[in-house]
Amino acid sequence: EPEVTQTPSHQVTQMGQEVILRCVPISNHLYFYWYRQILGQKVEFLVSFYNNEISEKSEIFDDQFSVERPDGSNFTLKIRSTKLEDSAMYFCASTEGTSYEQYFGPGTRLTVT
Amino acid sequence: GEDVEQSLFLSVREGDSSVINCTYTDSSSTYLYWYKQEPGAGLQLLTYIFSNMDMKQDQRLTVLLNKKDKHLSLRIADTQTGDSAIYFCAESRESSASKIIFGSGTRLSIRP
Repeated sequence: EPEVTQTPSHQVTQMGQEVILRCVPISNHLYFYWYRQILGQKVEFLVSFYNNEISEKSEIFDDQFSVERPDGSNFTLKIRSTKLEDSAMYFCASTEGTSYEQYFGPGTRLTVT
Repeated sequence: GEDVEQSLFLSVREGDSSVINCTYTDSSSTYLYWYKQEPGAGLQLLTYIFSNMDMKQDQRLTVLLNKKDKHLSLRIADTQTGDSAIYFCAESRESSASKIIFGSGTRLSIRP
């Protein structure tokens, strides 16, 4: 069964450093998303992406964040200058577009020290 | 505004039914979801229901929707130890790229 994959599973970085979280959505899916879950809190929407542009973004998704689909398979989230409060589990999701079933990856745990 | 609320914990005896409840505030919600998160794992879509339905059954899972009260429930029949997880209620609007709004999750624990 096709699935969304994410790498790395755990990333530790120092405050101020740039990180890139990578996702490979399901191959025939057209819509892509990033969510995050700070420990003990709700899963929060960050951004949705379709046709090579951002469709919607939350107030969390400020200028420090960017997304890219550099090739036909990868979907990346970049945080330019990480802050302690960026420590969270980051989930990538994708959907076909003809249905509303968003399939989530296993997540990347980002720890900012 | 958009908000999804659910109780934090539920404990049931193995073999009994589990009922996890959820309320939401957005009357524009079109799709309502239940996701399961096992320890250390991602979010697994269990089932979803359109807002024009009031019930959906899928094997041991039954979803009930009361649109008037904005109340959603998930019933798991014959609860097993493998059902131990956090269950997230979630909603989205009718838009192909629509974000999903999640509740806080209900931690289901199974006792022998």
